[in-house]
Amino acid sequence: RKEVEQDPGPFNVPEGATVAFNCTYSNSASQSFFWYRQDCRKEPKLLMSVYSSGNEDGRFTAQLNRASQYISLLIRDSKLSDSATYLCVAWYSSASKIIFGSGTRLSIRP
Amino acid sequence: NAGVMQNPRHLVRRRGQEARLRCSPMKGHSHVYWYRQLPEEGLKFMVYLQKENIIDESGMPKERFSAEFPKEGPSILRIQQVVRGDSAAYFCASSPGQGVRGREPHTDTQYFGPGTRLTVL
Repeated sequence: RKEVEQDPGPFNVPEGATVAFNCTYSNSASQSFFWYRQDCRKEPKLLMSVYSSGNEDGRFTAQLNRASQYISLLIRDSKLSDSATYLCVAWYSSASKIIFGSGTRLSIRP
Repeated sequence: NAGVMQNPRHLVRRRGQEARLRCSPMKGHSHVYWYRQLPEEGLKFMVYLQKENIIDESGMPKERFSAEFPKEGPSILRIQQVVRGDSAAYFCASSPGQGVRGREPHTDTQYFGPGTRLTVL
């Protein structure tokens, strides 16, 4: 089992829709979590840090459920520009270890 | 405040040559990470360094690959005797510091450079 697992997608949704991704992690020692987005042939860019139970930034909401060991990302009122691959990241500070998920591909259609 | 810088952006090498990839972290960042991304695949962690120290090289191939982050100057990822399978995008990221229990989690946040695309002919 991978340490960080994501549904690879692709998710193909119409503009304006709400879309949610889940990411599960296997190591309960994970302390910090992040969502990154990566456009084709570009570097990953930080979307949100996820700590405590979650946080919200405009159309994006990230939630953390430590009991069930998953992190979710919700995108409301999706835009064409949201089309990208979304990477889930778990960080284990005590082990100096960071694990990237393989990413979920999202395609927003007009 | 310049972001993470990597050079060259594109590098072409013939089989058997050496490739040197450079990464300058963001100002004030003392932690550097290298990742490899093969076409149509996810990011694979290679190595985590602090100044003059390798903290975790568990993702680094045992042969031909090495990394350093000297006291002065950029971090270098070196690939000796390159083979076609080394063709990939190599990303560097930096962070302010390693998160420690009780500290702000933002110290763990990594910021990525634009990457170096290595092509081995």
